[in-house]
Amino acid sequence: QSVLTQPPSASGTPGQRVTISCSGSSSNIGSNFVYWYQQLPGTAPKLLIYRNDQRPSGVPDRFSASKSGTSASLAISGLRSEDEADYYCAGWDDSLSGVIFGGGAKLTVL
Amino acid sequence: QITLKESGPTLVKPTQTLTLTCTFSGFSLDTSGVGVGWIRQPPGKALEWLALIYWNDDKRYSPSLKSRLTITKDTSKNQVVLTVTNMDPVDTATYYCAHRPHCDSADCYGPYFDYWGQGTLVSVSS
Repeated sequence: QSVLTQPPSASGTPGQRVTISCSGSSSNIGSNFVYWYQQLPGTAPKLLIYRNDQRPSGVPDRFSASKSGTSASLAISGLRSEDEADYYCAGWDDSLSGVIFGGGAKLTVL
Repeated sequence: QITLKESGPTLVKPTQTLTLTCTFSGFSLDTSGVGVGWIRQPPGKALEWLALIYWNDDKRYSPSLKSRLTITKDTSKNQVVLTVTNMDPVDTATYYCAHRPHCDSADCYGPYFDYWGQGTLVSVSS
């Protein structure tokens, strides 16, 4: 059971907008930055969002993220087949004194 | 450009100690703010953070695995080494090392990993 809770799956059709949620607590999301990673099948994770809502260079602006209280969400607009991947939220937990990852959400493009 | 590559045994026996080396290029662990972390992923499961070492030799460990982990750096060789003692079949996973670009007063310990190695699969079996 991950400290950060994500839905195990999400889906959408090409062109749609989908969101993936990440629920935490006051000791992690509520007081620290949230990070998002995309992991394509058989590859290493890729940083998608850092410090809640910042996109690294090269990440399309179709990807956006937000945080409110103890929850965060990743939004993907203009869904493409190549977006089919696992998406992980992550952050630091003050109580655990460690980095935590969500359980991951598998995005299927129908 | 920044690259990282993990190396080590692909198979270890239960109770043995695993030693993994992350060899990197394109940055120096002498540079202020820079860090290197280790993250693993059991087959079909989620990512799990293990350890992080910084330019100033500050080290952070997963609380649940702290007693079994040691992370060190060799700046002259551009390498970071992770040892995991008392390996068990549940430690079977792909182990990744990753570059942490920045540490400041706002965030020094969060999972800010912008470059990752390809990962190395380590199986634990007798």
